[in-house]
Amino acid sequence: DAGVIQSPRHEVTEMGQEVTLRCKPISGHNSLFWYRQTMMRGLELLIYFNNNVPIDDSGMPEDRFSAKMPNASFSTLKIQPSEPRDSAVYFCASSSGQGAAEAFFGQGTRLTVV
Amino acid sequence: AQSVTQLDSQVPVFEEAPVELRCNYSSSVSVYLFWYVQYPNQGLQLLLKYLSGSTLVKGINGFEAEFNKSQTSFHLRKPSVHISDTAEYFCAARSAGNKLTFGGGTRVLVKP
Repeated sequence: DAGVIQSPRHEVTEMGQEVTLRCKPISGHNSLFWYRQTMMRGLELLIYFNNNVPIDDSGMPEDRFSAKMPNASFSTLKIQPSEPRDSAVYFCASSSGQGAAEAFFGQGTRLTVV
Repeated sequence: AQSVTQLDSQVPVFEEAPVELRCNYSSSVSVYLFWYVQYPNQGLQLLLKYLSGSTLVKGINGFEAEFNKSQTSFHLRKPSVHISDTAEYFCAARSAGNKLTFGGGTRVLVKP
């Protein structure tokens, strides 16, 4: 398996623009997580899905952020409108089952909002 | 609610010396515990995990961790570090409800 695939790897956009980050989880995994990593706040859980259903989105910073998982093999994280403070590395991770199963991470998307 | 605390944000250590990274967790329910490593410009990779049974868990690259229920700790150790162990290390906890929560990370800098 190719692992968790995120695209794009790097994104530079202007403030106010819409940004869409994409994630393809490992085939057969039924849990998917979106994290944001910054120097100041570390690794923050934004939202996670079980069987394509959002379970906990309490980490989503504000209404500008939204995430979808239309099927088991694809998820998106959208920011609209983007702001400079959204600049960070965004990671997607997936796992099979619950609890004891480890999460596998993608390489991340480095977002810069200027 | 569960939370994970890594007590050291940075740990400098000389090559071939031992290192210990501290992690404490709090949870009202049973959790599974993990250590991940992140090399520069990469995603996180699993080092080891504790599910149940023996409290001493061995992982990859010579790392091990000890689960201590009474102290709610899961400290990571390596008896002799290499330059290549320079990275950031994350402790994580996952409840049966599936939420995977990470600590703030510990940056390990191995000096020659």
